[in-house]
Amino acid sequence: AQRVTQPEKLLSVFKGAPVELKCNYSYSGSPELFWYVQYSRQRLQLLLRHISRESIKGFTADLNKGETSFHLKKPFAQEEDSAMYYCALSEIGSGNTGKLIFGQGTTLQVKP
Amino acid sequence: GAGVSQTPSNKVTEKGKYVELRCDPISGHTALYWYRQSLGQGPEFLIYFQGTGAADDSGLPNDRFFAVRPEGSVSTLKIQRTERGDSAVYLCASSLGWGTDTQYFGPGTRLTVL
Repeated sequence: AQRVTQPEKLLSVFKGAPVELKCNYSYSGSPELFWYVQYSRQRLQLLLRHISRESIKGFTADLNKGETSFHLKKPFAQEEDSAMYYCALSEIGSGNTGKLIFGQGTTLQVKP
Repeated sequence: GAGVSQTPSNKVTEKGKYVELRCDPISGHTALYWYRQSLGQGPEFLIYFQGTGAADDSGLPNDRFFAVRPEGSVSTLKIQRTERGDSAVYLCASSLGWGTDTQYFGPGTRLTVL
């Protein structure tokens, strides 16, 4: 079965500390992986996707097919990074609908 | 430009009533998705429209849930005989095409069934 697991409900770090939000997935086909973010009182928005291999707001994520993981990392956390983060996957390939399968989310709290 | 909009922002209803939730996608976006987010959970897929047709409704929990998109733009999610377990935030997203095009989310409708 397709599944995305985010083992931490809450991650609390101090400003300037490194951050790693964990995401593991279970999928039999070829997935594309995403990180979505929801800041306080804002709508859900795309942060980054593995196929783009971008760094957004200092965040990066590497797809590790052997470990079926897509952890989100940032070397130095900022207070404005405090938000809810969701890992999600979608199927790559012809006929795919683009529907997203989300993890349960991790709240990142960056303390001053 | 304008993003995805959803109305109402909040809906309180009584058990057994019928409700309609509306989604206005970004102009020109052909793909439209509905998701449901229960408290403490990530969004769960309900249904996907490509144009006017429901291309994938595998996420609808039962036949009390139905959605339409008659002109390929605005979509309405309809819930009959609401139950307390239907209480959740209902999210709509649209994308330019389908597949892995970026999905843009609306603010959601918070449905509370008393």
